[in-house]
Amino acid sequence: NAGVTQTPKFRVLKTGQSMTLLCAQDMNHEYMYWYRQDPGMGLRLIHYSVGEGTTAKGEVPDGYNVSRLKKQNFLLGLESAAPSQTSVYFCASSYSSDRHNYGYTFGSGTRLTVV
Amino acid sequence: GESVGLHLPTLSVQEGDNSIINCAYSNSASDYFIWYKQESGKGPQFIIDIRSNMDKRQGQRVTVLLNKTVKHLSLQIAATQPGDSAVYFCAENTGGFKTIFGAGTRLFVKA
Repeated sequence: NAGVTQTPKFRVLKTGQSMTLLCAQDMNHEYMYWYRQDPGMGLRLIHYSVGEGTTAKGEVPDGYNVSRLKKQNFLLGLESAAPSQTSVYFCASSYSSDRHNYGYTFGSGTRLTVV
Repeated sequence: GESVGLHLPTLSVQEGDNSIINCAYSNSASDYFIWYKQESGKGPQFIIDIRSNMDKRQGQRVTVLLNKTVKHLSLQIAATQPGDSAVYFCAENTGGFKTIFGAGTRLFVKA
């Protein structure tokens, strides 16, 4: 049982380049999320999805796009990378009831550097 | 506790001692709380959760205490081991789709 798998683990981009971060989960979770983690700060939500074919903006969505074409996959795209997007990106998924999101399962992260 | 700026609060304990990590949460409407452990270079890992209708919950070597009056959460780790060295952060949920994460506290365990 792999849980949440992120690819790639590391990437260096030049300013203006584009890339897609891949996230796959095998737990049949409805909810998936993309977070960024910067030094000394809590995880900040970029975009999230409450089911296949649906996405929504989080706290810091600018400069990112997402797609959830299949329930198990959640893709994060950077169309034109900027140095401010240098960060560690985490994908997560969760089981949720009508009331709560329960404990998240996180991937191991993608460390992205934009030069 | 929560961090301000680039430097996380740090707690240093001797192996075998008990550790207490604190968290002040922000929203009085939050009714579900989770503690996560993040080791260097890895993703956060679920440790224990607690609902607001409880004030204490115990797991294996860990206990979470919730004080809603002062919006405070703590994680107690019994008989701390070198493998417990990590960043620990709390998260709060108000019942929506989003969860708010604290910045965390770094725990160092001295052998």
